[in-house]
Amino acid sequence: GAVVSQHPSRVICKSGTSVKIECRSLDFQATTMFWYRQFPKKSLMLMATSNEGSKATYEQGVEKDKFLINHASLTLSTLTVTSAHPEDSSFYICSALGDTDTQYFGPGTRLTVL
Amino acid sequence: QKEVEQNSGPLSVPEGAIASLNCTYSDRGSQSFFWYRQYSGKSPELIMFIYSNGDKEDGRFTAQLNKASQYVSLLIRDSQPSDSATYLCAPAGGQGGKLIFGQGTELSVKP
Repeated sequence: GAVVSQHPSRVICKSGTSVKIECRSLDFQATTMFWYRQFPKKSLMLMATSNEGSKATYEQGVEKDKFLINHASLTLSTLTVTSAHPEDSSFYICSALGDTDTQYFGPGTRLTVL
Repeated sequence: QKEVEQNSGPLSVPEGAIASLNCTYSDRGSQSFFWYRQYSGKSPELIMFIYSNGDKEDGRFTAQLNKASQYVSLLIRDSQPSDSATYLCAPAGGQGGKLIFGQGTELSVKP
């Protein structure tokens, strides 16, 4: 149980385009999901908390207009990187909050912006 | 915010040895902790959740929590090369379920 999927697993796009990443909890409902990014050899950085039916809460320094989050159902949250630039290239990971406040992580999406 | 400190390593141990990973925390209010394992290029996976003082064992893994000294550790017995990864600890109970990870400890198990 507690399986989280992400799609796509890898995406390459041109600078200036937008990219949408989906995060799904497959066998449980998640009112709360989280989005992280991770640069090579660096620690996980929490970007935002996504709550079903309400606006996401962004961490300090994360541009909400750049990283759009939508949590329209209890099993799906999406992250859209708008007008992507090379510096947005990173490993984006979502997690879903399950019972006992345990976070279950998706497999991640590797974004490369050319 | 609930924060932790971990030695970034790399911690190198020979195959079959016990690997000891430590995590100290500053917030005395932290009551429970998660240990996650992250292989290079992959996302974190849950290893253990510990919420009471003392030891919790799961297979080759033992988590230890010492609230008086404010540290939590993870012991891996009979270490295998497949245990080579970065190990992350994080205090539970963050606002809205948030986890704030430290930089993690990189473990390398040599055959």
